Amino acid sequence: GAVVSQHPSWVICKSGTSVKIECRSLDFQATTMFWYRQFPKQSLMLMATSNEGSKATYEQGVEKDKFLINHASLTLSTLTVTSAHPEDSSFYICSAPEALNNSPLHFGNGTRLTVT
Amino acid sequence: GNSVTQMEGPVTLSEEAFLTINCTYTATGYPSLFWYVQYPGEGLQLLLKATKADDKGSNKGFEATYRKETTSFHLEKGSVQVSDSAVYFCALSEFGNEKLTFGTGTRLTIIP
Repeated sequence: GAVVSQHPSWVICKSGTSVKIECRSLDFQATTMFWYRQFPKQSLMLMATSNEGSKATYEQGVEKDKFLINHASLTLSTLTVTSAHPEDSSFYICSAPEALNNSPLHFGNGTRLTVT
Repeated sequence: GNSVTQMEGPVTLSEEAFLTINCTYTATGYPSLFWYVQYPGEGLQLLLKATKADDKGSNKGFEATYRKETTSFHLEKGSVQVSDSAVYFCALSEFGNEKLTFGTGTRLTIIP
């Protein structure tokens, strides 16, 4: 079946550095991908909608310059956490629908980011 | 705005016990409701869904009924197995199943 691959599964970085997380749809094309963030014991919060060939749509309160999203092809979206700080430590998950309306959402396994 | 409130975990049950995980929602429109499951080391997977009032979603022995009058979508299973140990997320969407609003997740552990 359709699979979304997310890489890396975990990463540790130092404050001030940038980290890139990749989300790939392996056997289907995704014009849209979603990026979520989850703090411990809290809900998955939608951060942004990644749109192939155009700018991402960010949810209220999410810093565009902090969380750069690029959706350069129909199978790849990347989330770059720029100038990371310890408060950015979290679990990031991407998802992609196979097609619009009534298609299942496929989720990546998530990326655990720890900023020291 | 939309929100989902689900039973806090963790929940620990013995094998073959009856399971209920409560989920209630608030929404401005007429949402679709979902239960997602995340097994250890894997991504979220759709477990079941319901798109209108009184619909019952079911899969793998799990069931949930869309109750508009109580704004609830409780997850139930009559006899749980060790393999059901996972984190369960209740979610809603007002725009098909693209943008989801999730609950906090409930970690379920089944002991033999």
